[in-house]
Amino acid sequence: DGGITQSPKYLFRKEGQNVTLSCEQNLNHDAMYWYRQDPGQGLRLIYYSQIVNDFQKGDIAEGYSVSREKKESFPLTVTSAQKNPTAFYLCASSIGLFQPQHFGDGTRLSIL
Amino acid sequence: AQKITQTQPGMFVQEKEAVTLDCTYDTSDQSYGLFWYKQPSSGEMIFLIYQGSYDEQNATEGRYSLNFQKARKSANLVISASQLGDSAMYFCAMREGPSTSGTYKYIFGTGTRLKVLA
Repeated sequence: DGGITQSPKYLFRKEGQNVTLSCEQNLNHDAMYWYRQDPGQGLRLIYYSQIVNDFQKGDIAEGYSVSREKKESFPLTVTSAQKNPTAFYLCASSIGLFQPQHFGDGTRLSIL
Repeated sequence: AQKITQTQPGMFVQEKEAVTLDCTYDTSDQSYGLFWYKQPSSGEMIFLIYQGSYDEQNATEGRYSLNFQKARKSANLVISASQLGDSAMYFCAMREGPSTSGTYKYIFGTGTRLKVLA
């Protein structure tokens, strides 16, 4: 079945550590996205990528980094510069940029 | 200012009845898109329906329809014949752009929690 796989489902980070969230899709979609969701809030866009080796900052990119070396993969690194990283992170993809998106099941990140 | 406003934090509807979830938006772009997503308690987001700013007909997808009133800047989701499985959070979202610099914005509302009663 085609879809988006995010791993891990739960992730714990110590203060000062970088952590990387995985996102893989086999839908052959060109565009991929990362969102952050805080309790009681809608999603906020962190980064998006239209094609391989290209990505753009969203509304809340500070403290995060991404890469797009392969069409299928769009990992998100939460760096130690992100002072409030505890949140639910969702990865998505779409055929074209900002067309209807398919989402993964999310990764819940917590600080130890 | 909020770009996407969902004024109903929670709604109840009786099974088999129709329900309307409200969404108003604010943009100065002529070209934009409006989306509705469903988020069950398990957390994944599911795309429901899309309306482009130039689309003259209201979008429909099965039991979902989007009541698009451009002059009022509203894009309400109508769910007909509610089912127990419709209980979830529902988010309205808007795509703006591309801007002159080629970037986009994609903004979500804060959501409406719908509970379908048996």
